[in-house]
Amino acid sequence: GDSVTQMEGPVTLSEEAFLTINCTYTATGYPSLFWYVQYPGEGLQLLLKATKADDKGSNKGFEATYRKETTSFHLEKGSVQVSDSAVYFCALSDPVTGGGNKLTFGTGTQLKVEL
Amino acid sequence: SQTIHQWPATLVQPVGSPLSLECTVEGTSNPNLYWYRQAAGRGLQLLFYSVGIGQISSEVPQNLSASRPQDRQFILSSKKLLLSDSGFYLCAWSDWIYNEQFFGPGTRLTVL
Repeated sequence: GDSVTQMEGPVTLSEEAFLTINCTYTATGYPSLFWYVQYPGEGLQLLLKATKADDKGSNKGFEATYRKETTSFHLEKGSVQVSDSAVYFCALSDPVTGGGNKLTFGTGTQLKVEL
Repeated sequence: SQTIHQWPATLVQPVGSPLSLECTVEGTSNPNLYWYRQAAGRGLQLLFYSVGIGQISSEVPQNLSASRPQDRQFILSSKKLLLSDSGFYLCAWSDWIYNEQFFGPGTRLTVL
């Protein structure tokens, strides 16, 4: 079956540090890939997405590139801020197994940014 | 534009009591609808999804049920809550234009 693997957290960084959160996947079909962000006490918000190999999704300074050869979709940001502290979820939608646009989520990575 | 509502925002219920959580979507027609549970410090578990009125798919056996009485309304229910039903419940929607899902603000359920 499909699966998404994320690096364990929490990840603690100083403000303005470089961020990488690793995400790898296995899928039956050719999936679309997503990063969601969850701020404390809130629902999930779509951060960025990519639908085919070599696509780069970007939003709010975050970016991730769909790497089919390594089955990865790592999230990066050049300079994090305290306001980026949240839990980040990697997810995929598989057109073969994901009837009804079902998503397969990773377990989430908590990011803490300190001054 | 589309919006998704969930209520209540928080709920404290005794073990053995019934449950009804409601989710409604505005600004779209015939959406796919989803219920997730997020236990404390853990990832998301898909509980139910629906591709149309009266069509419910259950992803995991559990103490909960779901119904879709109207096109843009999705209800999560239980006849008798268990301690293990505590968690953060999230509703989401998608449609044939957007293959991503859009989430509601969630309901925090505590079963005592």
